[in-house]
Amino acid sequence: DTGVSQNPRHKITKRGQNVTFRCDPISEHNRLYWYRQTLGQGPEFLTYFQNEAQLEKSRLLSDRFSAERPKGSFSTLEIQRTEQGDSAMYLCASSLRAGSIETQYFGPGTRLLVL
Amino acid sequence: AQSVTQLGSHVSVSEGALVLLRCNYSSSVPPYLFWYVQYPNQGLQLLLKYTTGATLVKGINGFEAEFKKSETSFHLTKPSAHMSDAAEYFCAVSDPGANSKLTFGKGITLSVRP
Repeated sequence: DTGVSQNPRHKITKRGQNVTFRCDPISEHNRLYWYRQTLGQGPEFLTYFQNEAQLEKSRLLSDRFSAERPKGSFSTLEIQRTEQGDSAMYLCASSLRAGSIETQYFGPGTRLLVL
Repeated sequence: AQSVTQLGSHVSVSEGALVLLRCNYSSSVPPYLFWYVQYPNQGLQLLLKYTTGATLVKGINGFEAEFKKSETSFHLTKPSAHMSDAAEYFCAVSDPGANSKLTFGKGITLSVRP
């Protein structure tokens, strides 16, 4: 068990550029979550996958955001035409749903700064 | 809808003193409750969780929390603070019948004075 990994750890981009983040979950975890954390706030739910199916998206996830989880393994989160308001820490978590109890394990996050 | 309230943004204690971090929640169904800790430039680490059963939950690093349904609270305590406890602490709630997404409070920064 190597934990949840996220790449890159830091990303600086100019407004209007596209960025893509990657999350590698703990192997055999069937659920994967994306959260966004802005300064001074707790993480906010963006979207989640069960295996390769994206089952829910938050209203925070505008149409500039897209997430995928091909083959139910790693996931990518893409932001198109970035805006300064997108600057935040993007956290990924994975879990194994067993019955109704599950624990989410978080990665170290990708910190995005949009100039 | 669920929500979490963590009053105050910063708590400072002396090393060896009691740590008490407050968390109140709002939920239309019996919730699952969590405390996570975040060290600088790191992701969130689970301290403890309450699902069902015993309302006093023990976690890692000497922390514990008590679920009080009548008070809709899940306060985090540690009898004796250590310098290494300095971090940001988040309380979170999830709906066990739904997709298990976590709803977090704003977090509390714990400082430990020598």
